[in-house]
Amino acid sequence: DAGITQSPRHKVTETGTPVTLRCHQTENHRYMYWYRQDPGHGLRLIHYSYGVKDTDKGEVSDGYSVSRSKTEDFLLTLESATSSQTSVYFCAMGRTGYEQYFGPGTRLTVT
Amino acid sequence: GIQVEQSPPDLILQEGANSTLRCNFSDSVNNLQWFHQNPWGQLINLFYIPSGTKQNGRLSATTVATERYSLLYISSSQTTDSGVYFCAGPQGGSEKLVFGKGTKLTVNP
Repeated sequence: DAGITQSPRHKVTETGTPVTLRCHQTENHRYMYWYRQDPGHGLRLIHYSYGVKDTDKGEVSDGYSVSRSKTEDFLLTLESATSSQTSVYFCAMGRTGYEQYFGPGTRLTVT
Repeated sequence: GIQVEQSPPDLILQEGANSTLRCNFSDSVNNLQWFHQNPWGQLINLFYIPSGTKQNGRLSATTVATERYSLLYISSSQTTDSGVYFCAGPQGGSEKLVFGKGTKLTVNP
């Protein structure tokens, strides 16, 4: 959606390497989220943030960490990527947590 | 936590036909969103509809929170309506959304 971007849009990496995905918003929204989307599982929440330096886990947080040092940026880190983390990753933002707007997605392949 | 079920899982229409997509929740919801994921993967926010009915062009949505369901109506469907439609509701009183598995809509010319 307008006002939210993700980088990179595509990435191929090897098993065991660290990976950081960036989400950037220009709407000054309080809430930001990271989801992964996999066939047969729909969208699942990894982590979310309800303010600068305030984060919490979602349903599939194992193997992922996040940081939010500025309102506009929310980083997702895979400390040591595994093949099971091959997925499409979406970031979302919201003024409240109840109405969310999504970024364009990042396709990550772990070989 | 809350369970979200969408039906039908797949729907194939001819251009110009109307359709109704349904979203059922295991618990009462006070907030609900409908999204469209187009064939290029982009997720577009269609409606934020905690209750009542909203309309936007050929699309409209109705949520009956007390009966734990929401409906998305698509009238005079077009090929550009193809994609997957998701509904999502909040988990408990949190700011986290739980998504259904989606309805895959194919509109043929």
